[in-house]
Amino acid sequence: EDKVVQSPLSLVVHEGDTVTLNCSYEVTNFRSLLWYKQEKKAPTFLFMLTSSGIEKKSGRLSSILDKKELSSILNITATQTGDSAIYLCAVEPGNNRKLIWGLGTSLAVNP
Amino acid sequence: DAGVIQSPRHEVTEMGQEVTLRCKPISGHDYLFWYRQTMMRGLELLIYFNNNVPIDDSGMPEDRFSAKMPNASFSTLKIQPSEPRDSAVYFCASSLGPGEAFFGQGTRLTVV
Repeated sequence: EDKVVQSPLSLVVHEGDTVTLNCSYEVTNFRSLLWYKQEKKAPTFLFMLTSSGIEKKSGRLSSILDKKELSSILNITATQTGDSAIYLCAVEPGNNRKLIWGLGTSLAVNP
Repeated sequence: DAGVIQSPRHEVTEMGQEVTLRCKPISGHDYLFWYRQTMMRGLELLIYFNNNVPIDDSGMPEDRFSAKMPNASFSTLKIQPSEPRDSAVYFCASSLGPGEAFFGQGTRLTVV
């Protein structure tokens, strides 16, 4: 059965810390892995990683895909209170658009 | 574009009643997804459409759930009859091809 597992489930850090969130997957016929950030409302897109684009960076956020280990990490450097959210990882199989979602990592950044 | 628009934002209904959730996708997007989110199970894909045609409805939990997309700018998710265990946040999302999907603000459904 296809599945996506994220760790840790929750994390509390102080402003300025660096955090690493993990996502591992078991999916037949992998196409892409996506990271989303969910604050109080809708998930918003962060990154998409594929076999041809295994590393992405935007400001203080960066993500790497390890196809050999079937995993990805999301790094956030110099965290701010505005980074507090649930970070969701999803994997898209190659044969359909049915994303398989992890349960998310709840990040709290304290001032 | 105003993004994906869902209505209502909140819905409280009694068990046994019919509930209809509505979604307007982003213009030009050819994929539309209905999700349900709960604390216990996270985000679950219920059904998705491509060019208004349902492609995969394997996530629809029971026959009480149905979804339609009569045209490219409108979709509904109906629950009839509703049950307390249907209480969740329901999201609609749309995308243009594979990859990034844009989510609506969700409908918080409470069935009492």
